[in-house]
Amino acid sequence: DTAVSQTPKYLVTQMGNDKSIKCEQNLGHDTMYWYKQDSKKFLKIMFSYNNKELIINETVPNRFSPKSPDKAHLNLHINSLELGDSAVYFCASSRGQGAGNTIYFGEGSWLTVV
Amino acid sequence: DAKTTQPNSMESNEEEPVHLPCNHSTISGTDYIHWYRQLPSQGPEYVIHGLTSNVNNRMASLAIAEDRKSSTLILHRATLRDAAVYYCILRATTSGTYKYIFGTGTRLKVLA
Repeated sequence: DTAVSQTPKYLVTQMGNDKSIKCEQNLGHDTMYWYKQDSKKFLKIMFSYNNKELIINETVPNRFSPKSPDKAHLNLHINSLELGDSAVYFCASSRGQGAGNTIYFGEGSWLTVV
Repeated sequence: DAKTTQPNSMESNEEEPVHLPCNHSTISGTDYIHWYRQLPSQGPEYVIHGLTSNVNNRMASLAIAEDRKSSTLILHRATLRDAAVYYCILRATTSGTYKYIFGTGTRLKVLA
């Protein structure tokens, strides 16, 4: 069973469109994350939620809006897509926020904006 | 944010041990040292983590310097499946929240 699953895996869309990426974890974790990996392969945290509450928002444009309907889900909605949004987006989760916690990543969603 | 420095790339022969170094001279007393790896077209995968003492698990060993300013990930017998980018990360705390700061990582090439 996939621990952290995200859909879709691949997404090609035009500039200006609105799209969503869904994420679900079946590990019973309290904390979930969205990371972005750009073309240079840098992985940067975007958001973190703990028990459905936003705890980290790393100066991401407000076109990006995460939504956590429950602890097991953290979806990412992106409005007015731009070329620079093309990247791989990784969802992740951990048992808690503590420094010793392991983070489990999904397989990524490849977003291409044309 | 505390930063880590790793070599851009390393090569190893199959079946030989690999020592992947990481410098983290600005580490603070409560920062854990985590290692993740990312295989091609996959999400990062946990390898090992530690605070002060050396750690072993089924995947690797982590050797932490006494002053904690550097650490080494040891793969005891490299296989072709170990070819990946290895990230050394400090689990940093900022205003009570924790986050991983990923660096550029070390791309490990394993030669058959």
